Amino acid sequence: GQSLEQPSEVTAVEGAIVQINCTYQTSGFYGLSWYQQHDGGAPTFLSYNGLDGLEETGRFSSFLSRSDSYGYLLLQELQMKDSASYFCAVITGANNLFFGTGTRLTVIP
Amino acid sequence: DAGVTQSPTHLIKTRGQQVTLRCSPKSGHDTVSWYQQALGQGPQFIFQYYEEEERQRGNFPDRFSGHQFPNYSSELNVNALLLGDSALYLCASSFPTGRETQYFGPGTRLLVL
Repeated sequence: GQSLEQPSEVTAVEGAIVQINCTYQTSGFYGLSWYQQHDGGAPTFLSYNGLDGLEETGRFSSFLSRSDSYGYLLLQELQMKDSASYFCAVITGANNLFFGTGTRLTVIP
Repeated sequence: DAGVTQSPTHLIKTRGQQVTLRCSPKSGHDTVSWYQQALGQGPQFIFQYYEEEERQRGNFPDRFSGHQFPNYSSELNVNALLLGDSALYLCASSFPTGRETQYFGPGTRLLVL
């Protein structure tokens, strides 16, 4: 089976940097994705790591260490609109996503 | 370029009833996956359709079934509804080799009374 662990809640100040960690246990690991979901909205794709290392997309970066079964999402220059739930998701088998329980990020002024 | 669309947006049913949810994938995508998201939880994989066949299935009972049509649109059917089936049902589309990115629709919120 698969399991993912991420913090349930994180609070950070506008303009700051926040890191959301994700550890996983899975068989048939292919890669790690991150999704953002605002209340009442659909998950939207943020980032993907198939290989070890850092991937940067604008204010968002994601890191993966396959040997440690660990990844993180880094959000820089936080904005109020970044308040949302963030999910790490393991990709196993053929195009199947296994999601964590999500981290609720609250950005405060 | 139309994204993933789902219908209906909201639905109220009673226990024991049956429901059908619909999904049209993003233009150019031929793979459709369905997820169930309970309140405060992450989406849980139900099954995936490709070339009109169920390619993979998550840990859901046979009450959950689906179908994919030649135009790649898909339906999710749930029989003998239980109170615990109340959730947001999400459809996601992708290319068959597009493991990195799935595009989600807005979801159908199902309430079972």
